[in-house]
Amino acid sequence: DVKVTQSSRYLVKRTGEKVFLECVQDMDHENMFWYRQDPGLGLRLIYFSYDVKMKEKGDIPEGYSVSREKKERFSLILESASTNQTSMYLCASSTRRLSTETQYFGPGTRLLVL
Amino acid sequence: RKEVEQDPGPFNVPEGATVAFNCTYSNSASQSFFWYRQDCRKEPKLLMSVYSSGNEDGRFTAQLNRASQYISLLIRDSKLSDSATYLCVVIMGEYGNKLVFGAGTILRVKS
Repeated sequence: DVKVTQSSRYLVKRTGEKVFLECVQDMDHENMFWYRQDPGLGLRLIYFSYDVKMKEKGDIPEGYSVSREKKERFSLILESASTNQTSMYLCASSTRRLSTETQYFGPGTRLLVL
Repeated sequence: RKEVEQDPGPFNVPEGATVAFNCTYSNSASQSFFWYRQDCRKEPKLLMSVYSSGNEDGRFTAQLNRASQYISLLIRDSKLSDSATYLCVVIMGEYGNKLVFGAGTILRVKS
């Protein structure tokens, strides 16, 4: 059974803080993704990675960075958190053939930036 | 115009009803389509793929209409447990590597 875990379910941070969101998958998937989900906007892709040390910008990368030092782990970093980054953050992973393979999601991290 | 659009609902239906959702997409070159289900405060999970010839899985039927650029999901004999948000997903991009999610349609099945 595929398992994608995220380091925190709920997080409260202050404006200007550096925030780390960790995601780990145990299925040896090549692809990993970070999305944010906001009411009425659906899931929006922030960054994705097809392999270790590789990263690609998604639709809304501004204000975020990522790190993929190991295949199973994909980290999302908010360098200086802002209130408009309050959101639900979802990590996902999939195997190589993206267009036909299921994306498996982690449980999500609800981030509140005060 | 959004790349993938869905009626947000909510659709409030009684148990046993048949309900259908549509999802329109903007890129006529899109090749792959999916429906995901997301329960309240949970992560999305794949419900079913949508093939050109249609796809049926028990009470659920997914169809693709390329000419009008929409996909549909039909749920027959609705159960209380079908209450969830249904997300339409379209694969786009030159290399078929970009998943675009709709904002979701809320379904509430009531007894």
